[in-house]
Amino acid sequence: SQQGEEDPQALSIQEGENATMNCSYKTSINNLQWYRQNSGRGLVHLILIRSNEREKHSGRLRVTLDTSKKSSSLLITASRAADTASYFCATEETSGSRLTFGEGTQLTVNP
Amino acid sequence: DTAVSQTPKYLVTQMGNDKSIKCEQNLGHDTMYWYKQDSKKFLKIMFSYNNKELIINETVPNRFSPKSPDKAHLNLHINSLELGDSAVYFCASSRKGWGEQFFGPGTRLTVL
Repeated sequence: SQQGEEDPQALSIQEGENATMNCSYKTSINNLQWYRQNSGRGLVHLILIRSNEREKHSGRLRVTLDTSKKSSSLLITASRAADTASYFCATEETSGSRLTFGEGTQLTVNP
Repeated sequence: DTAVSQTPKYLVTQMGNDKSIKCEQNLGHDTMYWYKQDSKKFLKIMFSYNNKELIINETVPNRFSPKSPDKAHLNLHINSLELGDSAVYFCASSRKGWGEQFFGPGTRLTVL
């Protein structure tokens, strides 16, 4: 089964609205990362949150981490059409052996 | 000043052929990776190299052979290509371990 599972698989909103994506995982982790992938492009790192952190902000992005529930959320506030992309969570397991990506959420922001 | 570059961007070839994808990073990172992204956008690690040394070799057919001539380059050679190898292959690098990773633009491989 997947280490990182994302919810929802697809999200469509209007410009200016907030978008929330969730990620659940199964094992103990060192950190959890969020990446964005525009269509036909490589992944771009957005934010990393360590296992001892609960919340982190970067511009319009807010990430939370609940290690007791093994879940994380990514909030994009005041969305823009340019935010349209796939968003992936990735977990670094405490074994340190790999970074495991979730299945991604396709976000569409309509102008 | 591209950080992680890959060539070619597109690769269309016949079943049974051998092909290579090249990757270079100019970030001074110690660790480089190859990922495969399938048609459902699922991204899976294939190989990880740290300072030219193979760290991870996932369950990948031995038709896939990575080669790292120096720590700035990690090439992927694929022998006897099969239809199921069609995917987008991404190279990535990181300073160390599994922290923030920088991805290349990807190589879309189509096997006919």
